[in-house]
Amino acid sequence: DTGVSQNPRHKITKRGQNVTFRCDPISEHNRLYWYRQTLGQGPEFLTYFQNEAQLEKSRLLSDRFSAERPKGSFSTLEIQRTEQGDSAMYLCASTSDRVMLSPLHFGNGTRLTVT
Amino acid sequence: AQKVTQAQTEISVVEKEDVTLDCVYETRDTTYYLFWYKQPPSGELVFLIRRNSFDEQNEISGRYSWNFQKSTSSFNFTITASQVVDSAVYFCALSEAGVFTGANSKLTFGKGITLSVRP
Repeated sequence: DTGVSQNPRHKITKRGQNVTFRCDPISEHNRLYWYRQTLGQGPEFLTYFQNEAQLEKSRLLSDRFSAERPKGSFSTLEIQRTEQGDSAMYLCASTSDRVMLSPLHFGNGTRLTVT
Repeated sequence: AQKVTQAQTEISVVEKEDVTLDCVYETRDTTYYLFWYKQPPSGELVFLIRRNSFDEQNEISGRYSWNFQKSTSSFNFTITASQVVDSAVYFCALSEAGVFTGANSKLTFGKGITLSVRP
């Protein structure tokens, strides 16, 4: 069990550029979540997948955000035309609904800075 | 709508002191789960405990203990004999317990409490 892995750890980009983050969940976990955490705040839910199906999206996820999990394993989160307000830590978490009461396991996050 | 309030923002204690982190929640659900997570400087959220709404027994795990009181919608966390390694941001969180989502549905987090333990 290598835990949830997120890449890159840090990303600095200029406003208007597109960025993509990757999350590799724990291998046997079929559920994958994306959260966003801004400075001094708790994580806020963005979206989650059950296998490859995206089952719920938060109102926080504007049209510029898209998430995929094409084969039910790793996931990508893309932000198009980044804005300074997108600067945050993006956290990925995974769990299994096959294991009774399995908690969410979080990765170390990707810190995005939009200049 | 669900809401978690952690009124304390920063707490500083000296090593070996006991410290209590407060958490108050709001939900219309009759069945729900409460959580505490620890976020050290490395950034990874570490699961500490989960409680379901039907189980109001207090729990103790080593130096950690949790006091769940449904009557006051509170789920407080006490660290006994604090250590420098306890320094971190602590989050309280709440999730619904739907038929299809169980305890693994999305979490609503509080703003977190930054705990600093000085040697």
